[in-house]
Amino acid sequence: DQQVKQNSPSLSVQEGRISILNCDYTNSMFDYFLWYKKYPAEGPTFLISISSIKDKNEDGRFTVFLNKSAKHLSLHIVPSQPGDSAVYFCAASDHGAAGNKLTFGGGTRVLVKP
Amino acid sequence: DTGVSQDPRHKITKRGQNVTFRCDPISEHNRLYWYRQTLGQGPEFLTYFQNEAQLEKSRLLSDRFSAERPKGSFSTLEIQRTEQGDSAMYLCASSPGLLNTGELFFGEGSRLTVL
Repeated sequence: DQQVKQNSPSLSVQEGRISILNCDYTNSMFDYFLWYKKYPAEGPTFLISISSIKDKNEDGRFTVFLNKSAKHLSLHIVPSQPGDSAVYFCAASDHGAAGNKLTFGGGTRVLVKP
Repeated sequence: DTGVSQDPRHKITKRGQNVTFRCDPISEHNRLYWYRQTLGQGPEFLTYFQNEAQLEKSRLLSDRFSAERPKGSFSTLEIQRTEQGDSAMYLCASSPGLLNTGELFFGEGSRLTVL
């Protein structure tokens, strides 16, 4: 039962263009969503998050959009830079449940070409 | 460095051997999590601690796995009688608990290879 899904395993984009990463979830109890970035041989690092009371959150070049009715969120990176090449994980949590554990998607590998 | 640290970073073992991983969380964080990540997959939740109490265990955590956090600081994850299917990256994360914004802070992971 995969509660968080990232249907695109990889994405290739030209430097300076927009990268759009998508994520779908099935558990309606999820109310907090995060994106993590992971370089090889390193642990995931937090990128940006959004609460279910919002539909958009921006942080510099990164914007996350949430469509609760569709149970869908997306991460936009504009403009994409070669240093953005990494694996991106979407994650979700239910703040009402004990522990605030995160449920992760399978990841999308992004390659930004110079 | 005040981040989450894990040791060892890499472990190669033979099937049937026991292995132990250690995690030192960020010092003021009272929640500690263990995740497992296999190739091409996202991290999967194994267990978490609130201080020294282990409050939840995933069904992925078979009887061969045991985790402890005896003094509410560092944690260990032991795998007994390792199997080839245990080969994975074992990730530790911590969070502040009640003041949690939802973000987990991850260590760099301990990669296990079972031959």
